[in-house]
Order: sequence, then structure tokens, then C-alpha cells
Amino acid sequence: DAGITQSPRHKVTETGTPVTLRCHQTENHRYMYWYRQDPGHGLRLIHYSYGVKDTDKGEVSDGYSVSRSKTEDFLLTLESATSSQTSVYFCAISEPRGGQETQYFGPGTRLLVL
Amino acid sequence: EDQVTQSPEALRLQEGESSSLNCSYTVSGLRGLFWYRQDPGKGPEFLFTLYSAGEEKEKERLKATLTKKESFLHITAPKPEDSATYLCAVQAASSNTGKLIFGQGTTLQVKP
Repeated sequence: DAGITQSPRHKVTETGTPVTLRCHQTENHRYMYWYRQDPGHGLRLIHYSYGVKDTDKGEVSDGYSVSRSKTEDFLLTLESATSSQTSVYFCAISEPRGGQETQYFGPGTRLLVL
Repeated sequence: EDQVTQSPEALRLQEGESSSLNCSYTVSGLRGLFWYRQDPGKGPEFLFTLYSAGEEKEKERLKATLTKKESFLHITAPKPEDSATYLCAVQAASSNTGKLIFGQGTTLQVKP
């Protein structure tokens, strides 16, 4: 258990509304990641953070923004949700293990955009 | 382009019937290959990391092996509780941010 929580766990929203998902970790990990998981696409990286206020884009970042003002929290914002953003969103942290950084995942947030 | 392909997409086994899952990868230098297990409605759970060709790791009924082009997850005498989706991911040597590239997964069903 890497001490990762995600909130909310489930959300239904309407097209055009802003949505913020929260990832919280309790063990002071430097690296945090946001992925989305869709049938036929597997897990794809949206954004990641390598420290407070240090973030960068992943492979599917369009329509998403992130913020990390504290080590323990990494927020993912959909500025104006679209139906194509209906997905399951996973947060991950990276922890050193055997000389390698291993990613551990949170429980996920199911988002439905109507 | 870095890429990971898993096969088969789905696998149904009888309890006790051993088999293997395949993960083929192309990456510009491999830093690590990761296997995860994912149960329905949950996040991926870390199983193994493999770093170099010839390496093997074992955990209970699972054994992961690595060559220069692919990895296998061998399941020996599986039980119904081994039913899950198994995900493979690679990290390129050029990555200094831990970025992982995932395959689409193999969904395993083990029937009693």
C-alpha cells in the first residue's frame, strides 16, 4: 500500500462543466502521475509531476491541466469536460525499489461525462 | 516509436492448466519491464520488474521472464483467484521521469 487516495471515486458530470480530480499521498513521494484507462487503449499518461510546481505533459494531455502546490496533492482538472473524457483515471506515485523507480497506483476515479 | 503489445487479449483456463502470457516490446533502450495485476474496479497492483535479458522473477504461481524483445508471464497450476487482467509496461532508458508505456493487457479467467 503506497498510501494513495483518489477523490472522488465516482463522478457524473455534464459536457462543458469543469471537473477536478484529486490525488493524495501520505509518504512524501517526489514523482506523481495521472493516467487514463480506456478499453482498447490501455493506460495512457496524461501529465506527471516531479516536484512541487514542477509538472509536464504526457502523451494525451490535450484538454487537461494539473497543479501540484503541495508534495502530497496532485490535482487533475478538466477545464470543460467532453464526452471523450469519460474514462477511469488513475493516479500513481513512484517509489525507489531495487535501484529502480517503481510506480504504484491509486484505486481510480470513474468519470462519466454526459 | 516505443510500443508494447500483449497477447492474447483474453485467456480462459481450467484450474490447474498452466499457460503463458506474452508481452512484446520495442523501445529505444530498456530501463525496466514491469508486470502488474489489475482486478475489476481496482488500480493496477505491482508484481515484478525485470531489467535485463535472461532475468527471471517468481511469486507464488507466477514467473516472469525477459528476452531482448519480449517477456513472458508463466502461470503454473492457476487457481480461480488468479483471474485478473495482467498488464505489461516498459520504461525506456532515455526516460528520467519514470514514464511507463503500457500494453493493453491480457484478461485471464480461471475456471474451477
